[in-house]
Amino acid sequence: GNSVTQMEGPVTLSEEAFLTINCTYTATGYPSLFWYVQYPGEGLQLLLKATKADDKGSNKGFEATYRKETTSFHLEKGSVQVSDSAVYFCALVQGAQKLVFGQGTRLTINP
Amino acid sequence: DTGVSQDPRHKITKRGQNVTFRCDPISEHNRLYWYRQTLGQGPEFLTYFQNEAQLEKSRLLSDRFSAERPKGSFSTLEIQRTEQGDSAMYLCASRPNLGGANVLTFGAGSRLTVL
Repeated sequence: GNSVTQMEGPVTLSEEAFLTINCTYTATGYPSLFWYVQYPGEGLQLLLKATKADDKGSNKGFEATYRKETTSFHLEKGSVQVSDSAVYFCALVQGAQKLVFGQGTRLTINP
Repeated sequence: DTGVSQDPRHKITKRGQNVTFRCDPISEHNRLYWYRQTLGQGPEFLTYFQNEAQLEKSRLLSDRFSAERPKGSFSTLEIQRTEQGDSAMYLCASRPNLGGANVLTFGAGSRLTVL
């Protein structure tokens, strides 16, 4: 079945550092890929998405490119801020099927 | 439209008691999903509805769990005879039946603690 694997956390960085959170997936066909973010005490929010190969999703300075050849959707940000501290989830969905999540990566940004 | 609402936000109960959670989706969304999230893990799918029809249930949804969406609007998730292993965050999400690029909108969740 479909699955998502994220790099293990937690990840701790200093403000203005470069961020990469790795995500790889297993799926038949061509799923849509997502990054969701969960801030402390809040629900999951969509951060960005890509629906086909080579698409790049972007939002709030975050980017991720749908790489079919490596089945990856790594999340990147050039300069992180303290306010980016949260848990990040990579996820996929295929057609009308359910959303499948990775285990999440907790990110802490120190001033 | 205030998004997806869940109630209660927190519930503490004793083992063996029954609990019920309610979810009010975005009004025009036909599809409603329930997920469970335990500490340090990603959300796990439990069940989903299209309008009032329950179309899929996970093996995680034991006989003690039941979900309903009687009028195709709000949904309830009931857990009978709770066990300590049921302690988790229960998330509800909704989306339109067509379009929307498969994007789910999540509520803030209902946190269950079973003592």
